[in-house]
Amino acid sequence: EPEVTQTPSHQVTQMGQEVILRCVPISNHLYFYWYRQILGQKVEFLVSFYNNEISEKSEIFDDQFSVERPDGSNFTLKIRSTKLEDSAMYFCASSEGLAGVETQYFGPGTRLLVL
Amino acid sequence: AQSVTQLGSHVSVSEGALVLLRCNYSSSVPPYLFWYVQYPNQGLQLLLKYTTGATLVKGINGFEAEFKKSETSFHLTKPSAHMSDAAEYFCAVRRGGTSYGKLTFGQGTILTVHP
Repeated sequence: EPEVTQTPSHQVTQMGQEVILRCVPISNHLYFYWYRQILGQKVEFLVSFYNNEISEKSEIFDDQFSVERPDGSNFTLKIRSTKLEDSAMYFCASSEGLAGVETQYFGPGTRLLVL
Repeated sequence: AQSVTQLGSHVSVSEGALVLLRCNYSSSVPPYLFWYVQYPNQGLQLLLKYTTGATLVKGINGFEAEFKKSETSFHLTKPSAHMSDAAEYFCAVRRGGTSYGKLTFGQGTILTVHP
């Protein structure tokens, strides 16, 4: 069964460093998402992406964050200058369509720890 | 804006007992509602979803949920718990009737199943 994959599974970085989290969505999906979950808190939406553009973003997704689909398979989330509060589990998801009925399929997550 | 409240961050049941995980939502428009499950070290997996039509929705692994508009609830149930049901369960809501893709999650409920 097709699945969303994410690398790395764990990342430790120093405050102020740039990190890139990578995701490979399901191959025929056109819509891509990033969510995050700070320990003990809710899973929060960050951004959705379609046709090489951001479709929607949350207040969390400020200028420190960017997303890119550098080739036909990868979808990346970049944090330019990490802060302690960026420590969280980051989930990538993809769906065939954008309509509300569409299922979003999630990857296993990347646990980011900023020291 | 949408929001989701899951009553009880931890629920513990005996094997063979009824599982009931509570979810209440708030939405200004008819919602689409989802239950996801997360097993350790895995991504979020869709259990079931309600979009339109029948209010009792059946999902995988014997779970079902009933959409009750008057109570703004979408509780998840399973008649007989199995040890393999131990996981964290997330209720989520999405705007219905539009193309917005964002999922809004509850805080999650950890289900423990005792032998």
